[in-house]
Amino acid sequence: NAGVTQTPKFQVLKTGQSMTLQCAQDMNHNSMYWYRQDPGMGLRLIYYSASEGTTDKGEVPNGYNVSRLNKREFSLRLESAAPSQTSVYFCASSEVWQYNEQFFGPGTRLTVL
Amino acid sequence: AQSVTQPDIHITVSEGASLELRCNYSYGATPYLFWYVQSPGQGLQLLLKYFSGDTLVQGIKGFEAEFKRSQSSFNLRKPSVHWSDAAEYFCAVGRNQGGKLIFGQGTELSVKP
Repeated sequence: NAGVTQTPKFQVLKTGQSMTLQCAQDMNHNSMYWYRQDPGMGLRLIYYSASEGTTDKGEVPNGYNVSRLNKREFSLRLESAAPSQTSVYFCASSEVWQYNEQFFGPGTRLTVL
Repeated sequence: AQSVTQPDIHITVSEGASLELRCNYSYGATPYLFWYVQSPGQGLQLLLKYFSGDTLVQGIKGFEAEFKRSQSSFNLRKPSVHWSDAAEYFCAVGRNQGGKLIFGQGTELSVKP
């Protein structure tokens, strides 16, 4: 099992460009999450999907959109990237919504110039 | 509102010395508590978790943590630190109904030879 995979690993964008971060899990988990990690701020939740077919905003959703494509895949889209979105992005999954134990992907390091 | 505080941003210990990383949480009900470790350039790995029962929980890599309700704390300990323990450590709290995690700011651990 690969667990949680993310692509790409690194990305550099110019201000205003768009891109989609991909996430997939092979653990048959129902819930998936997107976080961003910034120095000194821990991980902050951007969006989550408690189950296939549902998505909800987290703590810092502005400037992002998500799609729960199917049970395995949960993508994060930046429509018009801004320098403030320079960060490391982590995808995570958990078996069911009721259990908080989350499994994390390796992250995507995004730089917006 | 839920919150997690890790008072120490950076800690340096000598190899072989004991370690204690502090975590304080604010939550109105019985929390679910977690410690994650992040090695440089990697995703987060779960060290241990507390849901209920025995307040002293054992985790992987020789770590343990103690839940103290009266102090709203969940401190992580290890009796003898190894150089490979150098990493960033995150404490997180979740609701007992499941769902989102709130992360602390992280504590970076350096290990001196």
